[in-house]
Amino acid sequence: SQTIHQWPATLVQPVGSPLSLECTVEGTSNPNLYWYRQAAGRGLQLLFYSVGIGQISSEVPQNLSASRPQDRQFILSSKKLLLSDSGFYLCAWTRQGPEAFFGQGTRLTVV
Amino acid sequence: QKEVEQNSGPLSVPEGAIASLNCTYSDRGSQSFFWYRQYSGKSPELIMSIYSNGDKEDGRFTAQLNKASQYVSLLIRDSQPSDSATYLCAVNKGWMNYGGSQGNLIFGKGTKLSVKP
Repeated sequence: SQTIHQWPATLVQPVGSPLSLECTVEGTSNPNLYWYRQAAGRGLQLLFYSVGIGQISSEVPQNLSASRPQDRQFILSSKKLLLSDSGFYLCAWTRQGPEAFFGQGTRLTVV
Repeated sequence: QKEVEQNSGPLSVPEGAIASLNCTYSDRGSQSFFWYRQYSGKSPELIMSIYSNGDKEDGRFTAQLNKASQYVSLLIRDSQPSDSATYLCAVNKGWMNYGGSQGNLIFGKGTKLSVKP
């Protein structure tokens, strides 16, 4: 069966510090991968998606970037965090259909 | 106009009752519709998907879709305290758009359900 891992589970970072969140998928090959963010009082918002190694599409211009160095690895980064980057970051995957499955999420607090 | 709208709740129902959750969407081109359950502090879990008009049943859950009215609903029969969570409605504009956009879901803000013992 397929599983998706995210880490860390929680993170507290100062404003202006860098960020790196990692997501890996097991049990499948060539998945489509997604980064979503859920901010307080707002719905889940798609940030990036990737259909393959090195292929990244951005849905919302922001202070973040994404990379896909390996088939089942998806990384979310920032060079300098803002207070507004706080939120619950979720990695998701799809394979052939539209159903998206989420990882456990990383709760980021920027202080 | 918000793309996917849900009543934020909280919706409170007694144990054993039917909980009815509603969702409307604005894009008539939407083709795929999903309900996710999210417990407090946890990630969303897919519980139902529906693609054509009518009802789809899975255990105690029934999803209903009416594309003409741009309306999706979720019924939970015999509600249990463990069903207490926030239920997210999500819509995909076109899952046939390959190139990775299958998982590009537009979410409502969710309805918080509380089932009282």
